[in-house]
Amino acid sequence: EAQVTQNPRYLITVTGKKLTVTCSQNMNHEYMSWYRQDPGLGLRQIYYSMNVEVTDKGDVPEGYKVSRKEKRNFPLILESPSPNQTSLYFCASTSRTRTDTQYFGPGTRLTVL
Amino acid sequence: QKEVEQNSGPLSVPEGAIASLNCTYSDRGSQSFFWYRQYSGKSPELIMSIYSNGDKEDGRFTAQLNKASQYVSLLIRDSQPSDSATYLCAVYPMSGNTGKLIFGQGTTLQVKP
Repeated sequence: EAQVTQNPRYLITVTGKKLTVTCSQNMNHEYMSWYRQDPGLGLRQIYYSMNVEVTDKGDVPEGYKVSRKEKRNFPLILESPSPNQTSLYFCASTSRTRTDTQYFGPGTRLTVL
Repeated sequence: QKEVEQNSGPLSVPEGAIASLNCTYSDRGSQSFFWYRQYSGKSPELIMSIYSNGDKEDGRFTAQLNKASQYVSLLIRDSQPSDSATYLCAVYPMSGNTGKLIFGQGTTLQVKP
């Protein structure tokens, strides 16, 4: 089954404690993205990647890091989380040749205390 | 000015009525336009895509695009309570289909039985 998986689905943590949210897709997609969703603000892109070792900032990259060492994985790293990073996070992937369809992961609800 | 703008609503319609959702975008060179539906706590799912001026129909859904006015809309005929969700407008900017999709803030639709 074609899918994007994220882990963990729910996370409560404290300010300053480094964390990683994993994202993996099994469709051999070139493009992958991370979004955050906050009430009234829609989906805002954090980082995106066009292929292995190729990443670029989205609209709200501050406080986040990503890496793309393998085509299937695109982890999101919060080196020192702060309460303003409390949000719902989505990973998504799409094929370079079929960018009309983005496949979204199930979401990760992060709370930073 | 936001790149993609929607009225956040909520838009409330009675069951069986036509729901009209609107979206404007700022990048005049944009070529690809999408409507996603998102149920509370779930990931977005693609329901319509449109690339040319005019109307595109798929079942009870019709997407309308007017590039001169930089305006895209979604009509839902015979609205059902199951259509109650947040509808997200998304646009690929002029820079091309690089996977960098820009979302509006979403419109919440409530269909009352």
